[in-house]
Amino acid sequence: GEDVEQSLFLSVREGDSSVINCTYTDSSSTYLYWYKQEPGAGLQLLTYIFSNMDMKQDQRLTVLLNKKDKHLSLRIADTQTGDSAIYFCAEDAGNNRKLIWGLGTSLAVNP
Amino acid sequence: DGGITQSPKYLFRKEGQNVTLSCEQNLNHDAMYWYRQDPGQGLRLIYYSQIVNDFQKGDIAEGYSVSREKKESFPLTVTSAQKNPTAFYLCASSIGRDGNYGYTFGSGTRLTVV
Repeated sequence: GEDVEQSLFLSVREGDSSVINCTYTDSSSTYLYWYKQEPGAGLQLLTYIFSNMDMKQDQRLTVLLNKKDKHLSLRIADTQTGDSAIYFCAEDAGNNRKLIWGLGTSLAVNP
Repeated sequence: DGGITQSPKYLFRKEGQNVTLSCEQNLNHDAMYWYRQDPGQGLRLIYYSQIVNDFQKGDIAEGYSVSREKKESFPLTVTSAQKNPTAFYLCASSIGRDGNYGYTFGSGTRLTVV
């Protein structure tokens, strides 16, 4: 069945780059998404990539998509303490186009 | 500004009571969703609705009920049949058609059984 996997934790130093990885199973996905959740809050759409793209850059965020390996990554340049949050990867899949979610990667940024 | 509003932010329920969580959106989105979030378990889909007066069960619908009488509103009732209702509940909406299915989320309701 459809599945999205992410590592659960990542710790980086302030100013370094963070790379959060995600693998998915549904090759028919049209869009893949990255969401950010701060403590006690809802999820905020960070960025998304259309499946016929390899890369998308938006300020400090770079998304890389390897469709052959079904691998998606989110790179955050110059990571700040305000980037500490849980990051969710999601793909659209299935007949009803529901999003399939990873469990989220908790990013800790150390001063 | 358009957005999606959940209320209340915090809710306390006694065992055996039903409670209703509110979700309202003014984004003119067709589809709406309810998720439950527990620590370490990510998002689990409770119910979703792609159009007014229609909704489908998600992965963990038992003990919950919904209605979709208006496009803007998708309330969730947590019934006494839900054995472990303490959780963070998130409502979301999406255009639900024409390609991009990205969701807009509300700020969540934290439900605690006391």
